[in-house]
Amino acid sequence: SYDLTQPPSVSVSPGQTASITCSGDKLGDKYVCWYQQKPGLSPVLVIYADTRRPSGITERFSGSNSGNTATLTISGTQAMDEADYYCQAWDITTDVVFGGGTKLTVL
Amino acid sequence: QITLKESGPALVKPTQTLTLTCTFSGFSLSTSGMGVGWIRQPPGKALEWLALILRNDDKRYSPSLKSRLTITEDTSKNQVVLIMTNMDPVDTATYYCAHWYRVGGYYFDSWGQGALVTVSS
Repeated sequence: SYDLTQPPSVSVSPGQTASITCSGDKLGDKYVCWYQQKPGLSPVLVIYADTRRPSGITERFSGSNSGNTATLTISGTQAMDEADYYCQAWDITTDVVFGGGTKLTVL
Repeated sequence: QITLKESGPALVKPTQTLTLTCTFSGFSLSTSGMGVGWIRQPPGKALEWLALILRNDDKRYSPSLKSRLTITEDTSKNQVVLIMTNMDPVDTATYYCAHWYRVGGYYFDSWGQGALVTVSS
């Protein structure tokens, strides 16, 4: 099976940059996407194909993927960015794989 | 505009079979690169992928749940059905269906509102 590992929690001060990592074997060889989920709501795609933002997603969200780690970066973090974030990749052996999720707290 | 909506029972008993329906609009499963997936989320826990159906009746399942899952489509009704057998209290979760896109990446770009299913006697 293929596994993706995320830190359970990340804290950031308002206005600062938050980085959330997602690790997996040779993850840089796969496409990674990221979802934001706020309490009681469905997940929302914020990054796909490692670095691309869907229409309507703020430029403050960016992504990268190299080696064994993909990173979601949120610049100028705002209170509204407080949410759970999940990475997801597609693997030829296990198809769709989600990370365990990271709770972003804006202190 | 792509929309999806899940429907099904809110409560099932242990050992029963769960049938969930995803009714969608704004796309066709016959379009290359598109599909419909099911994902669940136990209360307070992470997302877990369950199943995916693509064009030409290509079906994929989570390896850990494959023996209990069946995904089918009714193209005339724009619906995708997920069947999960032998339900257990640990299967209590919100079940989502989502639009899958595998062009320029592999991702779910539109999600339904979710359906909470509780497994209890």
